[in-house]
Amino acid sequence: ILNVEQSPQSLHVQEGDSTNFTCSFPSSNFYALHWYRWETAKSPEALFVMTLNGDEKKKGRISATLNTKEGYSYLYIKGSQPEDSATYLCALGFDAGGTSYGKLTFGQGTILTVHP
Amino acid sequence: DTAVSQTPKYLVTQMGNDKSIKCEQNLGHDTMYWYKQDSKKFLKIMFSYNNKELIINETVPNRFSPKSPDKAHLNLHINSLELGDSAVYFCASSQDLREGLNEQFFGPGTRLTVL
Repeated sequence: ILNVEQSPQSLHVQEGDSTNFTCSFPSSNFYALHWYRWETAKSPEALFVMTLNGDEKKKGRISATLNTKEGYSYLYIKGSQPEDSATYLCALGFDAGGTSYGKLTFGQGTILTVHP
Repeated sequence: DTAVSQTPKYLVTQMGNDKSIKCEQNLGHDTMYWYKQDSKKFLKIMFSYNNKELIINETVPNRFSPKSPDKAHLNLHINSLELGDSAVYFCASSQDLREGLNEQFFGPGTRLTVL
């Protein structure tokens, strides 16, 4: 069974704080890691797709790093704003013999609440 | 325009009934998926189709049957509904099966309640 773990489960921060959370996954058979942002009453939206060990991606105030050897990815939000409040999901595509067939295994998500 | 749309948004039905959920994407993508959000809020893959061909078929009861009339549509038909089928079902699409590197675009979800 492939487990993708996210921590913490929930997080409350004040506006302006920087924050980060973790996605842990089995390091064997890694293929790709996705991060999604899921606002209440909306659909999950992709933030990043990462494949290379040491990869770092950035979109505005949000960035992510990837360590495939030890099996974790961090998502950072700099200067959190109330509109950043959402559930952040990571999802692992694993290598099923040279391809992942697009199959993603999702973590449970980290619920971020940013208070004004 | 909505990129990935699902109908209906809410579905309440009795045990034993047969129901369908429709999904359409206007992104020109080749690959479509069905996910079930379980009671612990995990999104779990059920099926995927690429250009109308079944690619992923997870351990799902055969009461669930996906149908892809063309690559823009992937419908989910459920026979003999059971209480445990109550969940939110999400459709998604991605450009192609490029080795899991393509981001997936999700529909708004269909909340199914079986009474």
